[in-house]
Amino acid sequence: DGGITQSPKYLFRKEGQNVTLSCEQNLNHDAMYWYRQDPGQGLRLIYYSQIVNDFQKGDIAEGYSVSREKKESFPLTVTSAQKNPTAFYLCASSLTGLVFFGAGSRLTVL
Amino acid sequence: GEDVEQSLFLSVREGDSSVINCTYTDSSSTYLYWYKQEPGAGLQLLTYIFSNMDMKQDQRLTVLLNKKDKHLSLRIADTQTGDSAIYFCAESIETGGSYIPTFGRGTSLIVHP
Repeated sequence: DGGITQSPKYLFRKEGQNVTLSCEQNLNHDAMYWYRQDPGQGLRLIYYSQIVNDFQKGDIAEGYSVSREKKESFPLTVTSAQKNPTAFYLCASSLTGLVFFGAGSRLTVL
Repeated sequence: GEDVEQSLFLSVREGDSSVINCTYTDSSSTYLYWYKQEPGAGLQLLTYIFSNMDMKQDQRLTVLLNKKDKHLSLRIADTQTGDSAIYFCAESIETGGSYIPTFGRGTSLIVHP
């Protein structure tokens, strides 16, 4: 069953803790992305990666980190430096410009 | 101002046509997309159009592109209650082999009986 898998779907975190969101795709797509969505807002780009071992900051990269050690995996770490981390996080991947999304992970900071 | 702008709400009666409008700013956009998001879910790619096209039809969906005015629209024929969702317009340009979509804030489509 091909697609983009994000986990966990829901995550709760205490202030000051780092948390890592998983994103795996078996579509053989080269590019992967992380977006953040807040209520009533569009999607804002956090990081993207065009190839393995390379990634670029998006518009709101501060307080986040990523790695791209394998083509199929692009995990996102929300660090304690992110001032307002409660949001819906969406991972995506693409091949030749068509961008597809996972089901999202909702992070709540208590 | 925002790169991609959409109206926030649209209400239609079941069976009518819905038209969701979007304006964008980057004249070098390569792809223009329409995504659908249901509550608590990710974004579903509904349809897309290349910037060198004027129109694309896919079953109940019709996309119109006016490059001169940088205006994109999505028409949903015979709108059903299952079409109630948030619809996002997005544009992307190709930069060094990468396509990075920029999104509008989304239009909430409400379909009532």
